Amino acid sequence: NAGVTQTPKFRVLKTGQSMTLLCAQDMNHEYMYWYRQDPGMGLRLIHYSVGEGTTAKGEVPDGYNVSRLKKQNFLLGLESAAPSQTSVYFCATSRDSSGANVLTFGAGSRLTVL
Amino acid sequence: GQNIDQPTEMTATEGAIVQINCTYQTSGFNGLFWYQQHAGEAPTFLSYNVLDGLEEKGRFSSFLSRSKGYSYLLLKELQMKDSASYLCAVRDSNYQLIWGAGTKLIIKP
Repeated sequence: NAGVTQTPKFRVLKTGQSMTLLCAQDMNHEYMYWYRQDPGMGLRLIHYSVGEGTTAKGEVPDGYNVSRLKKQNFLLGLESAAPSQTSVYFCATSRDSSGANVLTFGAGSRLTVL
Repeated sequence: GQNIDQPTEMTATEGAIVQINCTYQTSGFNGLFWYQQHAGEAPTFLSYNVLDGLEEKGRFSSFLSRSKGYSYLLLKELQMKDSASYLCAVRDSNYQLIWGAGTKLIIKP
């Protein structure tokens, strides 16, 4: 039972390159989220999904795209990476968004854009 | 705008008690969470408060006052493994989580 798995864990990109981060969960959770975490700032929501085939914008969606073709997978894409996208990216899942439903996080993906 | 305030860093001694405060101003309130995050790792859930008062869970307790927009996390009998960042997050009226920047807790022997 792996929980929430993110790949890759580390990646270095040059400005303008593209890449995709994969989040896979075996918890059968409906909700999935992509956050970024930067020094001195709280976690910021990039995009999220409330179920298979759905996606929605979060607080900082510009420069990112997402897809949720299968319930267990949530992909985050960077079409043309910029140095401002250097960050640690966390995927998280939850059963839903109400009550005491907590987030289960993946281990994180550290992205550096040169 | 929405805002969560926590101290940036705190230092405490092994075996002692420490209180980490969190104040918030959000559009509505649907619960407050505390998460622990060790350096280089993912956040993990510690506690949830939705009603005023104290929730106790072992060495950790969390308090909420909705009228004051205030919460604290109380850690007792501190251990070296408690060295971590503690994140406060509030669920707003749209059921979105607003996160504080976290409090880095340093435990000294």
